Amino acid sequence: SAVISQKPSRDICQRGTSLTIQCQVDSQVTMMFWYRQQPGQSLTLIATANQGSEATYESGFVIDKFPISRPNLTFSTLTVSNMSPEDSSIYLCSVTRWRNTEAFFGQGTRLTVV
Amino acid sequence: AQSVTQLDSHVSVSEGTPVLLRCNYSSSYSPSLFWYVQHPNKGLQLLLKYTSAATLVKGINGFEAEFKKSETSFHLTKPSAHMSDAAEYFCVVSDTTNFGNEKLTFGTGTRLTIIP
Repeated sequence: SAVISQKPSRDICQRGTSLTIQCQVDSQVTMMFWYRQQPGQSLTLIATANQGSEATYESGFVIDKFPISRPNLTFSTLTVSNMSPEDSSIYLCSVTRWRNTEAFFGQGTRLTVV
Repeated sequence: AQSVTQLDSHVSVSEGTPVLLRCNYSSSYSPSLFWYVQHPNKGLQLLLKYTSAATLVKGINGFEAEFKKSETSFHLTKPSAHMSDAAEYFCVVSDTTNFGNEKLTFGTGTRLTIIP
């Protein structure tokens, strides 16, 4: 298994500001992902965080809005930039290990933009 | 491309009666399939997974699911519902042949309500 620490657990932010969410894993993992879960909806993949290189974004998500870093095998950050109320969601970090498709999830960051 | 369809957005059952949550998938390759549960204000927890071994998969808390390739289904069942089972359930598919990039595709979720 993998223990994932995600910070902050929740935040209320003013529109136009940015928030950086941190994801720390207790052991080395192969893949790290960031998901968004809008209120009452399912999870949507934002991007795959690649170690030492630019993240791979899914359709509808761009680096300028959601910059991602992954400096090593156990840590990643997601920034939600220039926030608007539509960005109010739960953001989740997820990890998998090589050839083990089981994904482990952090507790999520509940973001409210006012 | 892969996708998953959860046929019911909301299921209500009485405590002690069977639970059936339906899921159909589409995948170009040999898929891995998962069921995750999300309790209110809590993180996602893996219930069970299918990864090309036994087609009947047993998970935690008495849940099980059967992989039926001919029907492209992976329905979740439990013989007797408990009040603590009330939660949101997600069926998830992953492309296992794309090693190194096992992205998950989530279904829209089924909210399970247990009637006392």
